[in-house]
Amino acid sequence: KQEVTQIPAALSVPEGENLVLNCSFTDSAIYNLQWFRQDPGKGLTSLLLIQSSQREQTSGRLNASLDKSSGRSTLYIAASQPGDSATYLCAALSTSGSRLTFGEGTQLTVNP
Amino acid sequence: GAGVSQSPRYKVAKRGQDVALRCDPISGHVSLFWYQQALGQGPEFLTYFQNEAQLDKSGLPSDRFFAERPEGSVSTLKIQRTQQEDSAVYLCASSPRGQGSKNIQYFGAGTRLSVL
Repeated sequence: KQEVTQIPAALSVPEGENLVLNCSFTDSAIYNLQWFRQDPGKGLTSLLLIQSSQREQTSGRLNASLDKSSGRSTLYIAASQPGDSATYLCAALSTSGSRLTFGEGTQLTVNP
Repeated sequence: GAGVSQSPRYKVAKRGQDVALRCDPISGHVSLFWYQQALGQGPEFLTYFQNEAQLDKSGLPSDRFFAERPEGSVSTLKIQRTQQEDSAVYLCASSPRGQGSKNIQYFGAGTRLSVL
């Protein structure tokens, strides 16, 4: 059974800082690894999707990497802004089924 | 609208009541998923439909939970005899293709269920 863990559970940084969010998964048989953003009371917004054959994906100030063999992914946020404050979730899509398995999220606060 | 739509956005139920939660997926999307998100947790898979066929219901926590998608578009998640531990946000997602493909799942805003 796939298990996904995110570290840290919460993070508070000053505006402008670069930061890294970590995600680990136990079963390397995945189709892809996806990072989502969730604002309070809202649904999930997909940020980046890394296919199993890829090593990283970039979108603006966001860069996500994937090391399938070690079961790890990182989300790098450059020059953080207060508007980046949200909960960030990673999720793995296993090849054994269709379900996404989510971590518990990292709650990020960027202070002005 | 172009996205996944869920209704109602908020639902308050007395313990023991039955509730029905609706999901309108993106038009033409083959796959539909239901997830349950407890406060402070990540979403957990409940069930999966490919068109009208329910291919995986292994995440449903008890036989009080029932989901259907009779015409392969709109889906309803029904919870019978609600209990306090059912309080959560119920998220629906859809994706364009079927099982095993490398699709992005598009999520709705969710229905927040509070059982008193």
